[in-house]
Amino acid sequence: SQKIEQNSEALNIQEGKTATLTCNYTNYSPAYLQWYRQDPGRGPVFLLLIRENEKEKRKERLKVTFDTTLKQSLFHITASQPADSATYLCALQTGANNLFFGTGTRLTVIP
Amino acid sequence: EAGVVQSPRYKIIEKKQPVALWCNPISGHNTLYWYLQNLGQGPELLIRYENEEAVDDSQLPKDRFSAERLKGVDSTLKIQPAELGDSAVYLCASSAGTAGRADTQYFGPGTRLTVL
Repeated sequence: SQKIEQNSEALNIQEGKTATLTCNYTNYSPAYLQWYRQDPGRGPVFLLLIRENEKEKRKERLKVTFDTTLKQSLFHITASQPADSATYLCALQTGANNLFFGTGTRLTVIP
Repeated sequence: EAGVVQSPRYKIIEKKQPVALWCNPISGHNTLYWYLQNLGQGPELLIRYENEEAVDDSQLPKDRFSAERLKGVDSTLKIQPAELGDSAVYLCASSAGTAGRADTQYFGPGTRLTVL
């Protein structure tokens, strides 16, 4: 069966450290993998997209890696800040443009 | 530029009652999505429109759910009759994407539906 698993339901880290979130999937062949941020009471907000033939993508303090052999993506937030506290969702985009979301990881950055 | 607008933001109804949720996508976005999100879960696609055509409604429970996107702009998702298990957040999203190309979706704030 198809699965998208994000490493943990909740992750707490100290301010200034690097947060690493994991997304593993089975029985999908995504053309793209996306990461979204969701704050309580709001819809998800797009952060980064990486293509199947890309290994790494960066945007400011964010970095995403994509390993299609391992079927895994890692999402890093460097120099984390309390304002980074939110739920982060990975999403696989198929060729038909449908997005399949993981369950999310709730990140808390402790001052 | 205005984002995706949804209304109502909150709705409480009794089971067996009907409910209609409305979405206005970002101007110029041809593709519109309705998702259901349960607490602690990621969004799950219910239906996808390209212009006024429902191109993927395979996950829509058609016995009680229906959707329309007249004129290819606004969309309404209807539930009739509502059941207790329908309590969730209903998210609408839109995108300008073409199938097979990298596509970013823009989400509305959602409608939190509570069925008593």
